Amino acid sequence: DAKTTQPTSMDCAEGRAANLPCNHSTISGNEYVYWYRQIHSQGPQYIIHGLKNNETNEMASLIITEDRKSSTLILPHATLRDTAVYYCIVRVEGGSEKLVFGKGTKLTVNP
Amino acid sequence: EAQVTQNPRYLITVTGKKLTVTCSQNMNHEYMSWYRQDPGLGLRQIYYSMNVEVTDKGDVPEGYKVSRKEKRNFPLILESPSPNQTSLYFCASSPVVGTVRWVYEQYFGPGTRLTVT
Repeated sequence: DAKTTQPTSMDCAEGRAANLPCNHSTISGNEYVYWYRQIHSQGPQYIIHGLKNNETNEMASLIITEDRKSSTLILPHATLRDTAVYYCIVRVEGGSEKLVFGKGTKLTVNP
Repeated sequence: EAQVTQNPRYLITVTGKKLTVTCSQNMNHEYMSWYRQDPGLGLRQIYYSMNVEVTDKGDVPEGYKVSRKEKRNFPLILESPSPNQTSLYFCASSPVVGTVRWVYEQYFGPGTRLTVT
């Protein structure tokens, strides 16, 4: 699975959009981009995933660049409960079932 | 409510005393997995199961056993716990979809914090 690079930490004001970047410059054509988050010591939570098209669900939007070398997770109206570590992962369809989390981005939403 | 449950949530035990951490899911998922999370080392997979009676080793299986006798349960057994197994443990489950039997998003339990003295 391709390696990802994320900023160590970010801050966001409550009610504003949080934009979390992820670089995956070595991603291959059959690798999907996944996002999970982990609120302090709780179980990780799946957010969204995509291959090449932008995706949106009730939690977030995922924007993948045309060359697929980077992506951005967007939380449109961040709340204090969105404070968490966000992990960007790339996985091959039908590949290893395990999740390999890097260090992720610690997002702090401030009042 | 769809969920993955783990018990106990917290456990302090002594070296060598056998213990079992239970994991149960009510979503009829085929795939289940155990991870441990340690500071600086991230999430590491211990064992996983693609279906009943089918289990495979993950990255760090030494010192652990699992069984999958029924679809909903996937207990983690430490036959002789040691201090280096002090960790935060997570169970996860997922449906398996498609012809390539792809594991989609994984649903995690709340975690079990184990301390072995």
